[in-house]
Amino acid sequence: DTGVSQDPRHKITKRGQNVTFRCDPISEHNRLYWYRQTLGQGPEFLTYFQNEAQLEKSRLLSDRFSAERPKGSFSTLEIQRTEQGDSAMYLCASSLVTQGNLAGGETQYFGPGTRLLVL
Amino acid sequence: RKEVEQDPGPFNVPEGATVAFNCTYSNSASQSFFWYRQDCRKEPKLLMSVYSSGNEDGRFTAQLNRASQYISLLIRDSKLSDSATYLCVVNRNSGYALNFGKGTSLLVTP
Repeated sequence: DTGVSQDPRHKITKRGQNVTFRCDPISEHNRLYWYRQTLGQGPEFLTYFQNEAQLEKSRLLSDRFSAERPKGSFSTLEIQRTEQGDSAMYLCASSLVTQGNLAGGETQYFGPGTRLLVL
Repeated sequence: RKEVEQDPGPFNVPEGATVAFNCTYSNSASQSFFWYRQDCRKEPKLLMSVYSSGNEDGRFTAQLNRASQYISLLIRDSKLSDSATYLCVVNRNSGYALNFGKGTSLLVTP
């Protein structure tokens, strides 16, 4: 399967614990995005990387959240001191940006998501 | 005001019906527009991009009205397999990340 993969698919944790999620994008995709989706809502943007550089962070990304993409391939999203309000589906997406679509509009391909439940 | 607004539905239609979804967006600087489809407990998948001139892909037709900041999706001859949530998506002001509407739920019944 050459799509976006995410691990784990499900995570149950207790409030106050730290959790880390991993995303493996489609090979050679240079852009990687993290979104969060709660029940009844559309996905909400958290942050994105162009290769290894984190270029934008949403206001939703509090200081308890950190994301990395150290070698420009896979990415991790860590949530420290989890709260019940962090319970959501965390979605990763990747895309290939070329000279032809630098202004945006390229197709983003989503992974299956990591479903987090904070008790 | 939410950046992308959609009627959440649900829309319950019989097989073979034509159904239309509408969406409005607030950022006049947005340049890229999409419809994504999301099945229950699955990830969103791109259904189609939306172009200024309007575009069609089989039974699906998307239209964009930049002056009114309005996007539509028309599904003709609905199939049972069209049952899903349809997400209206607009690129963010920064150009790259996406703003999603809440989605419109469609149920096609036999």
